[in-house]
Amino acid sequence: NAGVTQTPKFQVLKTGQSMTLQCAQDMNHEYMSWYRQDPGMGLRLIHYSVGAGITDQGEVPNGYNVSRSTTEDFPLRLLSAAPSQTSVYFCASSTRLGGYTQYFGPGTRLTVL
Amino acid sequence: AQSVTQLGSHVSVSEGALVLLRCNYSSSGPPYLFWYVQYPNQGLQLLLKYTSAATLVKGINGFEAEFKKSETSFHLTKPSAHMSDAAEYFCAVSGLTGGGNKLTFGTGTQLKVEL
Repeated sequence: NAGVTQTPKFQVLKTGQSMTLQCAQDMNHEYMSWYRQDPGMGLRLIHYSVGAGITDQGEVPNGYNVSRSTTEDFPLRLLSAAPSQTSVYFCASSTRLGGYTQYFGPGTRLTVL
Repeated sequence: AQSVTQLGSHVSVSEGALVLLRCNYSSSGPPYLFWYVQYPNQGLQLLLKYTSAATLVKGINGFEAEFKKSETSFHLTKPSAHMSDAAEYFCAVSGLTGGGNKLTFGTGTQLKVEL
């Protein structure tokens, strides 16, 4: 099992550009989430999904879109990047059968100039 | 609503000394509680979790945590620190609503281990 994989590892964008952060898991987990990590603020939930076709907003959803067409994939879209979106982004997956323990990907470090 | 407070953004201990990282939580229902560790430029790794079974939870690398409902605390301890324990530690709480997959994290505690 590869677990949770994220691409790219690093990305630099200019203000106003769009991009998609990819996340995939091969553990057949029903739940997937996106977090952003900023210094001194811990991790904050952006969006989450409880199954294919079902998504909902977390604590800091503005400026981000998600969709979940398959159990395995949960991409995060930045429609018009802003410097405030400079952060490290983590994707995670979990399952009820595993006691909701979230397994994290290695992260994507995004810089918006 | 749920929240986590980690007291002390930086903790420094000597190698071989007791490690104590503090975490207090609030949750509107029975909580699931987690401690994660993050080494530099890496993702988060689960240390241990509490899910309403035994109140004293043992994790990896010699860490353990005790759930105290009356104090709403879930402090992380290790009897003897090792240089390899230097990392950032995050406490997190998850409620059972919303599928139980909405983690709320504390702001983290950076652990430094000195010779």
